[in-house]
Amino acid sequence: AQSVTQLDSQVPVFEEAPVELRCNYSSSVSVYLFWYVQYPNQGLQLLLKYLSGSTLVESINGFEAEFNKSQTSFHFRKPSVHISDTAEYFCAVSPLSGTYKYIFGTGTRLKVLA
Amino acid sequence: EAGVAQSPRYKIIEKRQSVAFWCNPISGHATLYWYQQILGQGPKLLIQFQNNGVVDDSQLPKDRFSAERLKGVDSTLKIQPAKLEDSAVYLCASSSRAEGTDTQYFGPGTRLTVL
Repeated sequence: AQSVTQLDSQVPVFEEAPVELRCNYSSSVSVYLFWYVQYPNQGLQLLLKYLSGSTLVESINGFEAEFNKSQTSFHFRKPSVHISDTAEYFCAVSPLSGTYKYIFGTGTRLKVLA
Repeated sequence: EAGVAQSPRYKIIEKRQSVAFWCNPISGHATLYWYQQILGQGPKLLIQFQNNGVVDDSQLPKDRFSAERLKGVDSTLKIQPAKLEDSAVYLCASSSRAEGTDTQYFGPGTRLTVL
């Protein structure tokens, strides 16, 4: 079985400051890792995914996340946030085989302040 | 490419009434998921279909919830009778193993309020 822990329920940060959202997971098997974002009254949008290879995954929007197998973590970072980044961020894991069932964390609400 | 479609977007019902939600996945996606997202929590998987067969329904409250995916495309999720604790956002997602992974793409969700 898998579990995901997002320790920070809320993260306030000033505009143009850097941010890190933490995600730790527990699993007895190898997993895929994902970060999704949810804006108010919308569904989840995929931001980043780690499947294999380089442990640092990056997006064209300036987000990145780093997989650390020894610490079972997949922390999300952005060097400079904007007001529009205000949203709920979810970390999820999925086993590499079987039903590929997603297990989500409880989410971190990022609030960017002017 | 069109995304996952869901309707209605919002629904308000009285407890003990019934309600149904509809989902149309991304074209060609064989796997379809229904999630329940209670306010302040992450999504929880209710049921997973592979084509029109059920893969996982271990967390579906089968005494009141039912789901079907006829012809392996559209799906409906039904609640009968509804309870207050069923107030949540119901998300539909789909995925295609053809991508080499099982990245899930989500619809906008249906927000259910049970009074």
